[in-house]
Amino acid sequence: NAGVTQTPKFRILKIGQSMTLQCTQDMNHNYMYWYRQDPGMGLKLIYYSVGAGITDKGEVPNGYNVSRSTTEDFPLRLELAAPSQTSVYFCASNFPRTAKNYGYTFGSGTRLTVV
Amino acid sequence: RKEVEQDPGPFNVPEGATVAFNCTYSNSASQSFFWYRQDCRKEPKLLMSVYSSGNEDGRFTAQLNRASQYISLLIRDSKLSDSATYLCVVNALQDNNDMRFGAGTRLTVKP
Repeated sequence: NAGVTQTPKFRILKIGQSMTLQCTQDMNHNYMYWYRQDPGMGLKLIYYSVGAGITDKGEVPNGYNVSRSTTEDFPLRLELAAPSQTSVYFCASNFPRTAKNYGYTFGSGTRLTVV
Repeated sequence: RKEVEQDPGPFNVPEGATVAFNCTYSNSASQSFFWYRQDCRKEPKLLMSVYSSGNEDGRFTAQLNRASQYISLLIRDSKLSDSATYLCVVNALQDNNDMRFGAGTRLTVKP
């Protein structure tokens, strides 16, 4: 049981480049999320998904896109990278609130630098 | 006003000390409350949920005051391994897609 797996762990992008951050979970969680964490700030929700085929914007969606074709995978796409997207990105998953324990399980993060 | 506010610290305490963190939230409709722990350059991990009646897990005690809109975390008999950043998390909605994170309180426990 690997939990939530994110790849890559580190990446340096040039301004204007694109990339996909991968996230996969093997816990059969319905809900998945992408957050970014900037120094001294709380995690900010980028996008989330309540199940395969369903995605919604979070607090800071601009410059990102997601898809959820399977329960396990929730990739985050950055188009036209900008320095403001330099951050640590965390993927998370959980069961709905009706489940006994619906705390998040986070992946280990992707440290992205845009230069 | 931030939705979830925490004293950033750092809190520097000796081993064995008792330390308390507070967190305030702005949305009175908030439904669920949590404390997460985040080690340096690692992902957050759920420490404990916070229930209306207060709850305890070993050396950790969490309290919720809905009237004043604050949450507290008390750590007794601090260990070196408790050194981390503690994140207060508030969920405003009935479902799971509106968790709001505080910026965290940093704790360092010294020998």
